[in-house]
Amino acid sequence: QTVVTQEPSLTVSPGGTVTLTCASNTGAVTSGNYPNWFQQKPGQAPRSLTYNTVNRQSWTPARFSGSLLGGKAALTLSGVQPEDEAEYYCLLYFGDGDAQTWVFGTGTKVTVL
Amino acid sequence: QVQLVESGGGVVQPGGSLRLSCAASGFGINRFGIHWVRQAPGKGLEWVTFLRYDGVSKHYADSVKGRLTISRDNSQNRVYLQMNSLRLEDTAVYYCARGVDWPPSIQLWGQGTLVSVSP
Repeated sequence: QTVVTQEPSLTVSPGGTVTLTCASNTGAVTSGNYPNWFQQKPGQAPRSLTYNTVNRQSWTPARFSGSLLGGKAALTLSGVQPEDEAEYYCLLYFGDGDAQTWVFGTGTKVTVL
Repeated sequence: QVQLVESGGGVVQPGGSLRLSCAASGFGINRFGIHWVRQAPGKGLEWVTFLRYDGVSKHYADSVKGRLTISRDNSQNRVYLQMNSLRLEDTAVYYCARGVDWPPSIQLWGQGTLVSVSP
């Protein structure tokens, strides 16, 4: 069973920078996993932030940036705003011929304090 | 306006069935894939199933294979999730979401519908 792991919680000061990571128990995360990142606030549906490792959605502020870092997918928040306090999830794609599956990470609660 | 609206959630007994509907507007479901993703109360997101834009290619999480079935009606611009042999652990908010085949991604989410499996 594929398990995708994220930090349970992170705290950052307003204006600061924080990096969230996303690791797979099957091995290094690569561009072939096409990492996506999502933001979810309490009582709301998730919202897409980035896809294909580094691409932002048209509505995503430039302070959110996706990357690969040391065998993991990463989401860096720079110049953090109070409204960035939320739960963040990564999503990895695993394709093998006709078999395709997507696995969400365990989620990271970001607190802005 | 591009949006997805889920309906059909409710309370059902273990072993029962339910059909969820996802109504798409502002785009055609024959041009985009549709995912179903669920979230148990107080828990994280779990990918459930994906229907490719061609309406033929379907993929399921192991936890739902053989019990949940995704389908669509192009004339209604709706995607369905038929849920059979429901278990207590299927209790969750079910979201439908618009996906892109390549690169694989999820762009747009509905607001979700709650399914509660309870004796």
